[in-house]
Amino acid sequence: GNSVTQMEGPVTLSEEAFLTINCTYTATGYPSLFWYVQYPGEGLQLLLKATKADDKGSNKGFEATYRKETTSFHLEKGSVQVSDSAVYFCAGGGGGSNYKLTFGKGTLLTVNP
Amino acid sequence: EAEVAQSPRYKITEKSQAVAFWCDPISGHATLYWYRQILGQGPELLVQFQDESVVDDSQLPKDRFSAERLKGVDSTLKIQPAELGDSAMYLCASSLTPTFQETQYFGPGTRLLVL
Repeated sequence: GNSVTQMEGPVTLSEEAFLTINCTYTATGYPSLFWYVQYPGEGLQLLLKATKADDKGSNKGFEATYRKETTSFHLEKGSVQVSDSAVYFCAGGGGGSNYKLTFGKGTLLTVNP
Repeated sequence: EAEVAQSPRYKITEKSQAVAFWCDPISGHATLYWYRQILGQGPELLVQFQDESVVDDSQLPKDRFSAERLKGVDSTLKIQPAELGDSAMYLCASSLTPTFQETQYFGPGTRLLVL
C-alpha cells in the first residue's frame, strides 16, 4: 500500500524566514499528492495538490513540486507569517485502484514574531 | 461557503458506554469519509461511503464500531462499547466523487475522551 513520510517537527521559525517541510512517498503507480493544513481547533483544509509528475501546486505563498525521480513533494514558503502557525500534513492518494488518502504524521509549525 | 458539519464538537464518556457522532456533508457530495486522528498522528480512514453504500471499511473495528448513511446524505458513526484507546479526534470529510484527484473537504471534528 501507499505510505507517506514527512519531516518530524516541531519546526519553529521567525517571521519572514524560509520554510521547507520534506515529504516523500511510496506508492504503486503514480498517486496524487496533497498538502493539508490544520489550524488550532479546526479541521483539515486542503492547501495545495499535484496530480502528476512535475506538477507544481501553489496557494497562499506555499509551493510544492511533484518530483517522480525522488518521490518527493516538499512544501516551501519563502517568507512565513505568524498566521502560518499550524500543523501541516502531506498525503497521497490513488495509484492503481486505491482511492484512499494516506496521511503523514504531520509537522507542527510555530512562527514567532 | 458550504462546509461539512459535525456534532458534537467534544464528547467525554466513560469506558463501556456508547457514543455516537454525526456528520452532514456538503450538499451534493456523494462520497463521505470517517477518519480517526490520534494525537500526534495523521488521520486514518475508518470507513468510506459512496451514496448510502460502504465502499471501504477495512480499517473499521467492526466488533465495536458501526457507521451508516441511510439516505445517502448525513451519516452516523457509533462506538459501543467505548474503550480507553478510542480517545481521539474523529473527522468527517466529503467529496463530489471518490476519485483520488478530487478534493476532500473536512469538518471540524469531534474530539472524544474516554475515561
